[in-house]
Amino acid sequence: KQEVTQIPAALSVPEGENLVLNCSFTDSAIYNLQWFRQDPGKGLTSLLLIQSSQREQTSGRLNASLDKSSGRSTLYIAASQPGDSATYLCAVGGAGGTSYGKLTFGQGTILTVHP
Amino acid sequence: DTGVSQDPRHKITKRGQNVTFRCDPISEHNRLYWYRQTLGQGPEFLTYFQNEAQLEKSRLLSDRFSAERPKGSFSTLEIQRTEQGDSAMYLCASAPPPSSGEIEQYFGPGTRLTVT
Repeated sequence: KQEVTQIPAALSVPEGENLVLNCSFTDSAIYNLQWFRQDPGKGLTSLLLIQSSQREQTSGRLNASLDKSSGRSTLYIAASQPGDSATYLCAVGGAGGTSYGKLTFGQGTILTVHP
Repeated sequence: DTGVSQDPRHKITKRGQNVTFRCDPISEHNRLYWYRQTLGQGPEFLTYFQNEAQLEKSRLLSDRFSAERPKGSFSTLEIQRTEQGDSAMYLCASAPPPSSGEIEQYFGPGTRLTVT
């Protein structure tokens, strides 16, 4: 059974800092890995998706890496801003069969960026 | 079509009542997923449809839960005899056919259920 762990559970940083969120998963037979953002009481916003054959993806100030063999992913946020404050969720996608595309989520990292 | 929609957005019900939620996926998406998210946790997979076929159900989906997608378009999730532990955000996501090569799931805004 796939298990996803995110570290740290919470992070508070001053504005302008670069930061790294970590995600690990137990079964390396994944199809993809996605990072999401969730604001309080809201749905999920997809930030980055990395296919299993890829090593990293970048979007603006965000960079996500994937090391499938070691079961790890990181989300790097450059020059953090107060508007980045949210919960960040890592999810891995099932490799195939009836589990195709099924996402297994971590518990999230609550990020607070203070001015 | 601007995305996945869910209805209602909020539902407050008394313990023991039945509730039904609806999800309308993006029109060309034949894959549909339901997830449940309790406070402070990440979402957990409930069930997966490809067209009208329900291909997988989590053990979280007890006998009180049933999901349908009768014509391969919208889906409903019904909870019978609700319990306080059912209070959660219920999220729906859709995705295009595997043959499209696109694997990303697109999430709706969720239905927040409160059981009193």
